[in-house]
Formats: sequence, structure tokens, C-alpha cells
Amino acid sequence: KQEVTQIPAALSVPEGENLVLNCSFTDSAIYNLQWFRQDPGKGLTSLLLIQSSQREQTSGRLNASLDKSSGRSTLYIAASQPGDSATYLCAVLTGGGNKLTFGTGTQLKVEL
Amino acid sequence: KAGVTQTPRYLIKTRGQQVTLSCSPISGHRSVSWYQQTPGQGLQFLFEYFSETQRNKGNFPGRFSGRQFSNSRSEMNVSTLELGDSALYLCASSIMGLAGVSNTGELFFGEGSRLTVL
Repeated sequence: KQEVTQIPAALSVPEGENLVLNCSFTDSAIYNLQWFRQDPGKGLTSLLLIQSSQREQTSGRLNASLDKSSGRSTLYIAASQPGDSATYLCAVLTGGGNKLTFGTGTQLKVEL
Repeated sequence: KAGVTQTPRYLIKTRGQQVTLSCSPISGHRSVSWYQQTPGQGLQFLFEYFSETQRNKGNFPGRFSGRQFSNSRSEMNVSTLELGDSALYLCASSIMGLAGVSNTGELFFGEGSRLTVL
């Protein structure tokens, strides 16, 4: 059974800091890994998707890496801003259709 | 291009009642999956439909059911509601039903339907 863990559970940083969110998964047989953002009371916004054959993906100030063999992914956020405050979730897609297994999330607060 | 649309956004029910939630996927997407999000259990997979057929089912009791129509719109139903069913129900759509087949496997989520059971 796939299990996904995210560390830390919560993080508070001053504006402008670079930060790293961690995600680990137990079964390396994944199709892809997605990072999502969730604002309070809202749905999920897809940030980055890394295919199982890829090592990293970048979008603006975000960079996600994937080490499938070790079951780890990191989301790097450069020059954090208050608008980045949200919960960040990683999820892995495993075989047998579109079933995502989610981590428990990292709640990020970026302070002025 | 319209995103995933879920209705209703908010609803309140009492124990024992039933509820039906609706999801319209992104145009051209054939796969619709449903997730339940609660503070205690996080995001959990309910089921997935592709071409009107249920392809995957999560570990939820039979009170939770769903269906998909020929236009790919999907509904989920929860019967005999319990307090523990209070949650945000999220729907996701994907362009194809099988990851890895000419498809990145990216899922796009709606805003969710927040159900409160009193």
C-alpha cells in the first residue's frame, strides 16, 4: 500500500526566504508525482507535475525534483512571498487508473 | 476553457438523509475521480469513472456510490448520512483514463462541495 509523508507539517518563514518542502513515498512504482496548492476552503491547484522518467520540473519560482529510487521529492520555493501562504500537497499516481495517493500536506505561512 | 465544475458548493444535511453531488469535467476529459477531504484523514480516494464505468474504488462503505453519464459528467451519492461524512468532496478530471498512455496523467480539481451533516 502506497503511503506518502510530508515534512514539515507546518512552516512559518519571513518574506524573501527560500524554502524546501519534502515529500516521501513508500512504493517507487509511480507514474508521476504532482504538487498541489490548496488555499483555505478551496480546491486544489496543480503546481507542478513530474513524470516518473523525469528528475525535475520548474515553473517560475517553483522547482520540484524527483528521486524515484529513494522515494523522495522536494518542492523548492524561491524568494517566498505572503501570497505563497497555503497548504502544499504532494500526490503520487500509481497504476490501475487515475488514483492519487496524497500526503498530509505542509501548511506554509510567509510573514511580512 | 472552463475548468472542473462542482455543484453545489455548500450544503447542509441531517443524519440519515442522502445527498447527490455533481461534477462536470473539463471538456474532452473522460476520466472523473472523487476524493474526500477531512481534517482527520486528509485526502482519500473514493472512486474513478471512465467512459461510464467505474475503474477504481477506494476503501469506503457501500453508502458511497457514483455514476458517470455519456457526456462524462459524474455524480456521487451518499446515503444514510452520518456525522463523519462531513467533509470537502473534490472531483478531478483527466484527459484519459489510463496514465502512461499518451497522457501525462495530470489531474485537474474542482473547487469542491462542502458537506456538513448535522
